[in-house]
Amino acid sequence: DQQVKQNSPSLSVQEGRISILNCDYTNSMFDYFLWYKKYPAEGPTFLISISSIKDKNEDGRFTVFLNKSAKHLSLHIVPSQPGDSAVYFCAASANTGFQKLVFGTGTRLLVSP
Amino acid sequence: GAVVSQHPSRVICKSGTSVKIECRSLDFQATTMFWYRQFPKQSLMLMATSNEGSKATYEQGVEKDKFLINHASLTLSTLTVTSAHPEDSSFYICSAGTPFGGYNEQFFGPGTRLTVL
Repeated sequence: DQQVKQNSPSLSVQEGRISILNCDYTNSMFDYFLWYKKYPAEGPTFLISISSIKDKNEDGRFTVFLNKSAKHLSLHIVPSQPGDSAVYFCAASANTGFQKLVFGTGTRLLVSP
Repeated sequence: GAVVSQHPSRVICKSGTSVKIECRSLDFQATTMFWYRQFPKQSLMLMATSNEGSKATYEQGVEKDKFLINHASLTLSTLTVTSAHPEDSSFYICSAGTPFGGYNEQFFGPGTRLTVL
């Protein structure tokens, strides 16, 4: 039972354009969401997070949007850069277990010059 | 940000042998460490939660006798894969929870690629 889903396994975007990565979840107990970036043979690196009491959080080129009613979140990267090419995972936490994260399957982003 | 290291980064072993993987938080004390496994093109799956000085909590379906976890200090947790078999070949990643900042983030190690022949 995949509680966190990223339905797009890959996304290709041109440099300078917007990248939009989507994530859906099924567990209504999730109240904290995170995005991680991962390069091959490396561990994930934290990018940005959002609490369920917010619907938007922005950090530089990265913005995460949360739609609780739809159980959907998205990560916007503007403008996209070639260095953003990586696999992006969304993750969710119910906070009932300290920092216990449930990860999505990841979306591979390729930003071409 | 906080740094988490793993050793070794890559290990190849024969079927039936045991392999130990170390996870260290280098610049902070981690009361909680997590062990994940990632199969190719799949998500990171939490295997167990490790708290310093106490027994690890394993996720459903993870054999605690096969994947031994020890968290003897605030900066070190180890995962031992006992009697490894080819189906245990995977990418194992640890992470450490930071007590500062109030954020629910984890800092991940670089991972260990285990190949069992």
